[in-house]
Amino acid sequence: EDQVTQSPEALRLQEGESSSLNCSYTVSGLRGLFWYRQDPGKGPEFLFTLYSAGEEKEKERLKATLTKKESFLHITAPKPEDSATYLCAVPAGANNLFFGTGTRLTVIP
Amino acid sequence: NAGVMQNPRHLVRRRGQEARLRCSPMKGHSHVYWYRQLPEEGLKFMVYLQKENIIDESGMPKERFSAEFPKEGPSILRIQQVVRGDSAAYFCASSLGQRHSGNTIYFGEGSWLTVV
Repeated sequence: EDQVTQSPEALRLQEGESSSLNCSYTVSGLRGLFWYRQDPGKGPEFLFTLYSAGEEKEKERLKATLTKKESFLHITAPKPEDSATYLCAVPAGANNLFFGTGTRLTVIP
Repeated sequence: NAGVMQNPRHLVRRRGQEARLRCSPMKGHSHVYWYRQLPEEGLKFMVYLQKENIIDESGMPKERFSAEFPKEGPSILRIQQVVRGDSAAYFCASSLGQRHSGNTIYFGEGSWLTVV
């Protein structure tokens, strides 16, 4: 059965302290890995799609990378406004996404 | 605002009542998805619709839940005879084309249902 596991469940960083979030997956024939950001009381906001091992994408302080078994979301010099839950997802069937339970990031000023 | 629009944002229903959640997809999008997020759980797929058609309802509970996306108007997720376990955030999403064709799925802000 396809699985997505995110770690850690929660992460507290000082402002400026870089770190990485992990998303491990067991999917046969990966057809994309997706990263979303979710703020409390809001819907998921699309960040990145990665399709092949070795691919990298960047947006401001975020960089997503993909290997054959996992994806990392690197956060460089985070700011308090980066505090959110970060979700990764993989395709499940033709029409939907299977989401991990997320990493809740808190950046302390 | 050209994003996915959901209403109501918050809804309180007593056990046994009906809940209707509405979703207008992004402009130009004709593919709609509904997901549910229970407290402390991840987002779970419920149903995928195109105009006037339910394409995939594999995540939909067999009873009390239904969805539609009429030719005109928003998509509706209907929950009949609500129970406390239905309390959750319900997210609508839309895409320009089919997800498996590489189209990004964009989410709305959600409808929070509380059953008392």
